Amino acid sequence: ETGVTQSPTHLIKTRGQQVTLRCSSQSGHNTVSWYQQALGQGPQFIFQYYREEENGRGNFPPRFSGLQFPNYSSELNVNALELDDSALYLCASSPGQGKNTEAFFGQGTRLTVV
Amino acid sequence: GDSVTQMEGPVTLSEEAFLTINCTYTATGYPSLFWYVQYPGEGLQLLLKATKADDKGSNKGFEATYRKETTSFHLEKGSVQVSDSAVYFCALHRSNFGNEKLTFGTGTRLTIIP
Repeated sequence: ETGVTQSPTHLIKTRGQQVTLRCSSQSGHNTVSWYQQALGQGPQFIFQYYREEENGRGNFPPRFSGLQFPNYSSELNVNALELDDSALYLCASSPGQGKNTEAFFGQGTRLTVV
Repeated sequence: GDSVTQMEGPVTLSEEAFLTINCTYTATGYPSLFWYVQYPGEGLQLLLKATKADDKGSNKGFEATYRKETTSFHLEKGSVQVSDSAVYFCALHRSNFGNEKLTFGTGTRLTIIP
């Protein structure tokens, strides 16, 4: 059973550009969440996808968008990159929804905006 | 809204010392509480969890008890090892069917000296 995998591991972009980050969820997991972890901070919830639909969103502007595919893998897209978007982006997958559901995290994508 | 306040770090201890990392939360209802650990260069791993008041989560010698009366979930370990050096995150899990997320504290960096 493979875990959650993210690609790429590191990325450098210029302010104003667009970026796509990818996440393969763990086998059997239909829920994917994305988090932004700024340096020295805890992860902040961006949004969640359940069965290809967005079903929860944190306090992030619309230039942060996402997709979930039929195989439950997911993409995070960020348009018009700003310097403050530099962070570790974490993807987490879980097998469903509910109080006892454990989220499994990938190793993250380190995005640097210059 | 939900929030988690975590003991400021960094924390440096000698091997075999007793560890406490404080965590308090603000939330309505009955969220689940988690401790995640992040080793250098890795993603988040679930360390332990508790889903209702007075539950005690435990794993790898670490323990935390869900105290609703004090809205706390302090992490403890009786004798730390060098391998416990990592960043520890307290988190609150909100599960409203169809909308789930984790709210994290800012993290506590723990360094154990041989």
